[in-house]
Amino acid sequence: QVHLVQSGGEVKKPGASVKVSCKASGYTFSHYGIAWVRQAPGQGLEWMGWILPYNGKTDFAENLQGRVTMTTDTSTNTASMELRSLTSDDTAVYYCARVDPMAVAFDSWGQGTLVTVSS
Amino acid sequence: VLTQSPGTLSLSPGERATLSCRAGQTVSSSYLAWYQQKPGQAPRLLIYSASSRATGIPDRFSGSGSGKDFILSISRLEPEDFAVYYCQHYDSSSGWTFGQGTKVELK
Repeated sequence: QVHLVQSGGEVKKPGASVKVSCKASGYTFSHYGIAWVRQAPGQGLEWMGWILPYNGKTDFAENLQGRVTMTTDTSTNTASMELRSLTSDDTAVYYCARVDPMAVAFDSWGQGTLVTVSS
Repeated sequence: VLTQSPGTLSLSPGERATLSCRAGQTVSSSYLAWYQQKPGQAPRLLIYSASSRATGIPDRFSGSGSGKDFILSISRLEPEDFAVYYCQHYDSSSGWTFGQGTKVELK
């Protein structure tokens, strides 16, 4: 059974960085991409980017270019997302999700990590 | 851009729900998906490739459409189907985009 377990909630000050991790189990980690999606309070879903664990190739949403980094560690089956220069607009629940290459869709999701940016 | 309508759908259990997702330009139906999200939960994949049900999804959920216009239908609403539904599309140049969501609420 596929499981994605994310790290716990974070509170950060404006200008700081946050790193969220996502540990995968129940499948061959290197065979599927990991996407990151965020959801501001009461708002819809926003795709942030994704990474292919087998080669580390990334692709980011245009509005986050230069502020986001995504990495994977295939020895621990863990994906991570770091977002820098945080503002209050970055307050959101952050999700990791497995990318099904046949469906080109997100077939399993982590439980979400609330990141609060507040002075 | 994906535009979903209506914003909110007020229905009773047993009724049929029809949710619309319109793209700003013709898109590939191979890359059109639908998700369900309940309060406090992560989204769940319902439909991919416009009309294929994901694993474990009941057959009361169906997807259709092509070109710019796509539909998610729920044939007979069950109590657990009241939720927010998002359409999503993948484009190789810009990645994934979500619609703004349609809330199916109890009438």
